[in-house]
Amino acid sequence: GESVGLHLPTLSVQEGDNSIINCAYSNSASDYFIWYKQESGKGPQFIIDIRSNMDKRQGQRVTVLLNKTVKHLSLQIAATQPGDSAVYFCAENPGRRNYGGSQGNLIFGKGTKLSVKP
Amino acid sequence: NAGVTQTPKFQVLKTGQSMTLQCAQDMNHNSMYWYRQDPGMGLRLIYYSASEGTTDKGEVPNGYNVSRLNKREFSLRLESAAPSQTSVYFCASKLDLRGLQFFGPGTRLTVL
Repeated sequence: GESVGLHLPTLSVQEGDNSIINCAYSNSASDYFIWYKQESGKGPQFIIDIRSNMDKRQGQRVTVLLNKTVKHLSLQIAATQPGDSAVYFCAENPGRRNYGGSQGNLIFGKGTKLSVKP
Repeated sequence: NAGVTQTPKFQVLKTGQSMTLQCAQDMNHNSMYWYRQDPGMGLRLIYYSASEGTTDKGEVPNGYNVSRLNKREFSLRLESAAPSQTSVYFCASKLDLRGLQFFGPGTRLTVL
C-alpha cells in the first residue's frame, strides 16, 4: 500500500543547532509535498512546500529537499529555536483519484516531535 | 481575514448524543475537508467537499454526516456519538487542486 511516513518519531536538538526531519513516501506519482508544523493544542500550520519538478526549496530558516530517486523528503531548520518545538508532518498529493474522490486529497505522515533544549 | 474557524473548541458528549461541529473559511476556497486526529494515527480524512454543492466520503466516514451549507461553511454531524469518536477534529480548506490546505484550530471532542 502507499504511505507517507517519518523515520524518527522524536528528535531532540540543542538550541542553535540545525534540525533535520525526514519523511519517506512510497507513491512515485506524487507531484506535490508539504511540510506542516503543529504546536500543542493548535491546528497544523503550513511551513513550506515543493513540487516534484524541484529538488530543493528554501524559505526563511527552512529548506525542503526532495530526492525522487529514493522517494525521500527532508525538512531542514537552521539555528533551531525554542519556538520551533512542535510536531512536524509531511504530506503528499498522490496526484491520482484518492478514496474514490478528486485529486488533491493529501496523505499525511504521523509526525515527528521536535524538542529544542535551551 | 480569520482564515479557517471552528466551533466549539471543546465538547463533552454522552454516548448516543448528537452534535454538529461548525467550520467556516473566509478565503473564498472551493474545497473543504474534515479530519480527525488520534494519537499515533496522524490526520485521517472523514469527508470532503471539492466544491460547493458536492460532498464525498474520505477514509473514515462511518458515524458522520456533512453538509456544505454554502461556499464558506462545512459542518460535520455526529448523529449518535460513540466513545470511539473521541478525537480532535480539524477542518481545512483549499483554493484549488494545488493541494495546499489551511487548517482550523480544531475541536476537542470527548464522548463518555
